[in-house]
Amino acid sequence: SYELTQPLSVSVAMGQTARITCGGNNIGSKNVHWYQQKPGQAPVLVIYRDSNRPSGIPERFSGSNSGNTATLTISRAQVGDEADYYCQVWDSVVFGGGTKLTVL
Amino acid sequence: EVQLVESGGDLVQPGGSLSLSCESSGFTFSNFEMNWVRQAPGKGLEWVSYITSSGTTIYYADSVKGRFTISRDNAHKLLYLQMSSLRAEDTAVYYCARGVDGYFDTWGQGTLVTVSS
Repeated sequence: SYELTQPLSVSVAMGQTARITCGGNNIGSKNVHWYQQKPGQAPVLVIYRDSNRPSGIPERFSGSNSGNTATLTISRAQVGDEADYYCQVWDSVVFGGGTKLTVL
Repeated sequence: EVQLVESGGDLVQPGGSLSLSCESSGFTFSNFEMNWVRQAPGKGLEWVSYITSSGTTIYYADSVKGRFTISRDNAHKLLYLQMSSLRAEDTAVYYCARGVDGYFDTWGQGTLVTVSS
Protein backbone atom coordinates (compact mmCIF):
# COMPACT_ATOMS: atom_id res chain seq x y z
CA SER A 1 0.00 0.00 0.00
CA TYR A 2 1.09 3.57 -0.62
CA GLU A 3 2.80 5.42 2.25
CA LEU A 4 3.13 9.13 3.01
CA THR A 5 5.92 10.38 5.29
CA GLN A 6 5.74 13.64 7.22
CA PRO A 7 8.10 15.09 9.85
CA LEU A 8 6.68 14.78 13.35
CA SER A 9 7.21 18.45 14.09
CA VAL A 10 8.19 21.73 12.48
CA SER A 11 8.98 24.96 14.30
CA VAL A 12 8.96 28.45 12.82
CA ALA A 13 9.49 31.92 14.19
CA MET A 14 6.45 34.18 14.07
CA GLY A 15 6.32 36.04 10.78
CA GLN A 16 8.64 33.62 9.01
CA THR A 17 7.88 30.89 6.48
CA ALA A 18 7.06 27.33 7.51
CA ARG A 19 7.43 24.42 5.13
CA ILE A 20 5.87 21.04 5.87
CA THR A 21 6.86 18.17 3.62
CA CYS A 22 5.02 15.02 2.60
CA GLY A 23 7.12 12.30 1.03
CA GLY A 24 5.90 9.46 -1.16
CA ASN A 25 7.08 7.38 -4.09
CA ASN A 26 6.52 9.49 -7.21
CA ILE A 27 4.02 11.62 -5.29
CA GLY A 28 4.39 14.27 -7.98
CA SER A 29 2.16 12.13 -10.20
CA LYS A 30 -0.67 12.23 -7.67
CA ASN A 31 -3.04 14.89 -6.34
CA VAL A 32 -2.09 15.86 -2.80
CA HIS A 33 -4.45 17.49 -0.33
CA TRP A 34 -3.67 19.15 3.02
CA TYR A 35 -5.69 19.50 6.22
CA GLN A 36 -5.22 21.62 9.32
CA GLN A 37 -6.43 20.31 12.66
CA LYS A 38 -6.37 22.40 15.82
CA PRO A 39 -6.73 20.74 19.25
CA GLY A 40 -10.22 19.47 19.92
CA GLN A 41 -11.47 20.43 16.46
CA ALA A 42 -12.28 18.63 13.23
CA PRO A 43 -9.81 18.81 10.35
CA VAL A 44 -10.16 21.65 7.85
CA LEU A 45 -9.12 21.44 4.20
CA VAL A 46 -6.46 24.08 3.47
CA ILE A 47 -5.05 22.93 0.11
CA TYR A 48 -6.55 20.62 -2.51
CA ARG A 49 -5.06 19.18 -5.69
CA ASP A 50 -1.51 20.18 -4.78
CA SER A 51 -1.87 23.96 -4.79
CA ASN A 52 -5.49 25.12 -4.69
CA ARG A 53 -6.93 27.02 -1.73
CA PRO A 54 -10.58 26.61 -0.70
CA SER A 55 -12.51 29.80 -0.15
CA GLY A 56 -11.77 31.31 3.23
CA ILE A 57 -8.21 29.98 3.46
CA PRO A 58 -5.65 32.81 3.60
CA GLU A 59 -3.29 33.35 0.67
CA ARG A 60 -0.45 32.71 3.12
CA PHE A 61 -1.16 29.00 2.60
CA SER A 62 0.25 27.49 -0.58
CA GLY A 63 1.26 24.08 -1.86
CA SER A 64 3.53 22.44 -4.38
CA ASN A 65 4.20 18.90 -5.51
CA SER A 66 7.02 17.42 -7.54
CA GLY A 67 9.08 14.26 -7.69
CA ASN A 68 8.88 12.44 -4.38
CA THR A 69 7.87 15.40 -2.19
CA ALA A 70 4.82 17.59 -1.74
CA THR A 71 5.17 20.73 0.36
CA LEU A 72 2.73 22.90 2.29
CA THR A 73 4.10 26.41 2.73
CA ILE A 74 2.76 28.83 5.31
CA SER A 75 4.07 32.37 4.84
CA ARG A 76 4.18 34.99 7.58
CA ALA A 77 3.35 32.36 10.18
CA GLN A 78 1.03 33.37 13.00
CA VAL A 79 0.35 31.86 16.42
CA GLY A 80 -3.10 30.96 15.10
CA ASP A 81 -1.46 28.64 12.54
CA GLU A 82 -0.28 26.29 15.29
CA ALA A 83 -1.93 22.97 14.54
CA ASP A 84 -1.41 19.49 13.22
CA TYR A 85 -1.18 19.28 9.44
CA TYR A 86 -1.94 16.16 7.42
CA CYS A 87 -1.31 15.40 3.77
CA GLN A 88 -3.56 12.97 1.90
CA VAL A 89 -3.78 11.22 -1.45
CA TRP A 90 -6.71 9.24 -2.79
CA ASP A 91 -4.65 6.12 -3.68
CA SER A 92 -5.78 3.66 -1.02
CA VAL A 93 -7.05 6.83 0.68
CA VAL A 94 -3.90 7.45 2.64
CA PHE A 95 -3.09 10.15 5.16
CA GLY A 96 0.37 11.12 6.24
CA GLY A 97 1.18 10.70 9.90
CA GLY A 98 0.76 14.40 10.60
CA THR A 99 3.11 17.26 11.47
CA LYS A 100 2.76 19.44 14.53
CA LEU A 101 3.53 23.06 13.67
CA THR A 102 4.83 25.26 16.47
CA VAL A 103 5.10 29.02 15.99
CA LEU A 104 7.75 30.49 18.29
CA GLU B 1 -24.18 26.75 5.43
CA VAL B 2 -22.84 23.30 4.59
CA GLN B 3 -22.97 21.21 7.74
CA LEU B 4 -22.45 17.62 8.88
CA VAL B 5 -23.46 16.44 12.34
CA GLU B 6 -22.51 12.99 13.63
CA SER B 7 -24.26 11.14 16.42
CA GLY B 8 -24.38 7.70 18.00
CA GLY B 9 -21.00 7.50 19.66
CA ASP B 10 -20.98 5.62 22.95
CA LEU B 11 -19.11 3.28 25.28
CA VAL B 12 -19.45 -0.31 24.06
CA GLN B 13 -17.94 -3.60 25.17
CA PRO B 14 -15.49 -5.52 22.99
CA GLY B 15 -17.40 -7.66 20.53
CA GLY B 16 -20.36 -5.35 20.65
CA SER B 17 -22.11 -3.32 17.98
CA LEU B 18 -22.88 0.33 17.43
CA SER B 19 -24.47 2.46 14.72
CA LEU B 20 -23.35 5.97 13.84
CA SER B 21 -25.34 8.56 11.91
CA CYS B 22 -24.37 11.72 10.07
CA GLU B 23 -27.01 14.31 9.30
CA SER B 24 -26.30 16.71 6.46
CA SER B 25 -27.65 20.16 5.66
CA GLY B 26 -26.91 23.11 3.42
CA PHE B 27 -26.16 21.11 0.27
CA THR B 28 -27.69 18.53 -2.06
CA PHE B 29 -26.64 15.39 -0.20
CA SER B 30 -27.53 13.04 -3.04
CA ASN B 31 -24.94 14.67 -5.32
CA PHE B 32 -21.91 13.90 -3.17
CA GLU B 33 -19.72 10.99 -2.24
CA MET B 34 -19.36 10.52 1.50
CA ASN B 35 -16.75 9.04 3.82
CA TRP B 36 -16.06 8.05 7.39
CA VAL B 37 -12.65 8.94 8.82
CA ARG B 38 -11.55 8.15 12.36
CA GLN B 39 -8.89 9.34 14.77
CA ALA B 40 -7.75 7.29 17.74
CA PRO B 41 -6.86 9.29 20.87
CA GLY B 42 -3.61 11.15 20.31
CA LYS B 43 -3.14 9.59 16.87
CA GLY B 44 -3.47 10.63 13.24
CA LEU B 45 -6.31 10.40 10.76
CA GLU B 46 -7.39 7.05 9.32
CA TRP B 47 -9.85 6.72 6.46
CA VAL B 48 -12.52 4.08 7.23
CA SER B 49 -15.06 3.87 4.42
CA TYR B 50 -16.40 5.50 1.24
CA ILE B 51 -19.72 5.45 -0.55
CA THR B 52 -20.67 6.97 -3.89
CA SER B 53 -23.53 9.45 -4.22
CA SER B 54 -25.95 6.74 -5.34
CA GLY B 55 -24.64 4.17 -2.89
CA THR B 56 -23.74 1.70 -5.61
CA THR B 57 -19.99 1.63 -4.94
CA ILE B 58 -18.51 1.14 -1.47
CA TYR B 59 -14.95 0.78 -0.19
CA TYR B 60 -13.58 -0.11 3.24
CA ALA B 61 -10.20 0.07 4.92
CA ASP B 62 -8.73 -3.38 5.49
CA SER B 63 -8.87 -2.77 9.24
CA VAL B 64 -12.68 -2.68 9.24
CA LYS B 65 -13.62 -4.82 6.24
CA GLY B 66 -16.21 -7.44 7.13
CA ARG B 67 -17.09 -5.70 10.41
CA PHE B 68 -18.34 -2.25 9.37
CA THR B 69 -21.08 -1.35 6.90
CA ILE B 70 -21.56 2.08 5.35
CA SER B 71 -24.91 3.13 3.93
CA ARG B 72 -26.90 6.24 3.11
CA ASP B 73 -30.46 7.50 2.88
CA ASN B 74 -30.53 10.25 0.26
CA ALA B 75 -34.17 11.05 0.87
CA HIS B 76 -33.40 11.95 4.47
CA LYS B 77 -29.85 13.27 3.83
CA LEU B 78 -28.32 10.76 6.21
CA LEU B 79 -25.09 8.76 6.21
CA TYR B 80 -24.66 5.69 8.43
CA LEU B 81 -21.90 3.47 9.75
CA GLN B 82 -22.94 0.17 11.28
CA MET B 83 -20.09 -1.28 13.36
CA SER B 84 -19.96 -4.80 14.72
CA SER B 85 -17.39 -7.08 16.38
CA LEU B 86 -15.86 -3.97 17.87
CA ARG B 87 -12.32 -4.07 19.22
CA ALA B 88 -10.36 -1.86 21.56
CA GLU B 89 -8.42 -0.53 18.56
CA ASP B 90 -11.67 0.82 17.09
CA THR B 91 -11.76 3.40 19.88
CA ALA B 92 -11.66 6.77 18.13
CA VAL B 93 -13.48 9.92 17.18
CA TYR B 94 -15.42 9.13 14.01
CA TYR B 95 -15.89 11.92 11.49
CA CYS B 96 -18.14 11.93 8.47
CA ALA B 97 -16.61 13.87 5.59
CA ARG B 98 -17.94 14.99 2.25
CA GLY B 99 -15.87 13.78 -0.65
CA VAL B 100 -15.02 15.81 -3.74
CA ASP B 101 -12.63 14.54 -6.40
CA GLY B 102 -10.57 12.54 -3.94
CA TYR B 103 -10.41 14.99 -1.06
CA PHE B 104 -12.61 15.81 1.94
CA ASP B 105 -13.94 19.34 1.74
CA THR B 106 -16.33 19.34 4.69
CA TRP B 107 -16.08 17.50 8.02
CA GLY B 108 -18.47 17.01 10.89
CA GLN B 109 -17.45 17.68 14.49
CA GLY B 110 -17.03 13.96 15.21
CA THR B 111 -18.55 11.44 17.61
CA LEU B 112 -16.53 9.42 20.13
CA VAL B 113 -16.67 5.64 20.14
CA THR B 114 -15.03 3.92 23.10
CA VAL B 115 -14.61 0.16 23.10
CA SER B 116 -13.83 -1.06 26.58
CA SER B 117 -15.01 -3.54 29.18
